Amino acid sequence: GAVVSQHPSRVICKSGTSVKIECRSLDFQATTMFWYRQFPKQSLMLMATSNEGSKATYEQGVEKDKFLINHASLTLSTLTVTSAHPEDSSFYICSAKAHLTGELFFGEGSRLTVL
Amino acid sequence: QQQVKQSPQSLIVQKGGIPIINCAYENTAFDYFPWYQQFPGKGPALLIAIRPDVSEKKEGRFTISFNKSAKQFSLHIMDSQPGDSATYFCAASRGQGGKLIFGQGTELSVKP
Repeated sequence: GAVVSQHPSRVICKSGTSVKIECRSLDFQATTMFWYRQFPKQSLMLMATSNEGSKATYEQGVEKDKFLINHASLTLSTLTVTSAHPEDSSFYICSAKAHLTGELFFGEGSRLTVL
Repeated sequence: QQQVKQSPQSLIVQKGGIPIINCAYENTAFDYFPWYQQFPGKGPALLIAIRPDVSEKKEGRFTISFNKSAKQFSLHIMDSQPGDSATYFCAASRGQGGKLIFGQGTELSVKP
């Protein structure tokens, strides 16, 4: 089946630093990717919709200057958490929409811990 | 309008039992209703999905029942096994590839 790869799977950083998380569709093209955040024992909350070649659309309450999203190619979207703080520690999950079929595929998630 | 409400929050059944998880939505524009299974530390995996033009869909041991007039849908897991122990999420979207709105999740434990 279609695979969506996230990297890194785990990252620990110091408060104030920036962290970049990659989401790649390995065997299909994805014009749209979605970024979710999941806190422990909670649901997935949509952060933003990323469209290839255009600016991301952020959900209400998500700071676009803090969570920078870039979707520069049909197979790669990146989420950069800028000036990370401990409250940004979470599980970040992406999903990619296959261009040809419209199916959605989820990545395995990236665990961010900010010390 | 955008919420999807899921219950129960947690569920414990014996092996072979039939856990039932319920979801309700408000936005009548939603027309795609998937269920996802998530193990700790992993991304969600699609189990089964339904569209509002059918009232029931079955895939293996998983069945979705859909009540369009009540704006409710549920997941039944037949002959549940300990390996089914996971967190289950319902979701809704406009179209199959639209942005998904997730329910709150149900932590299922199947006892041997």
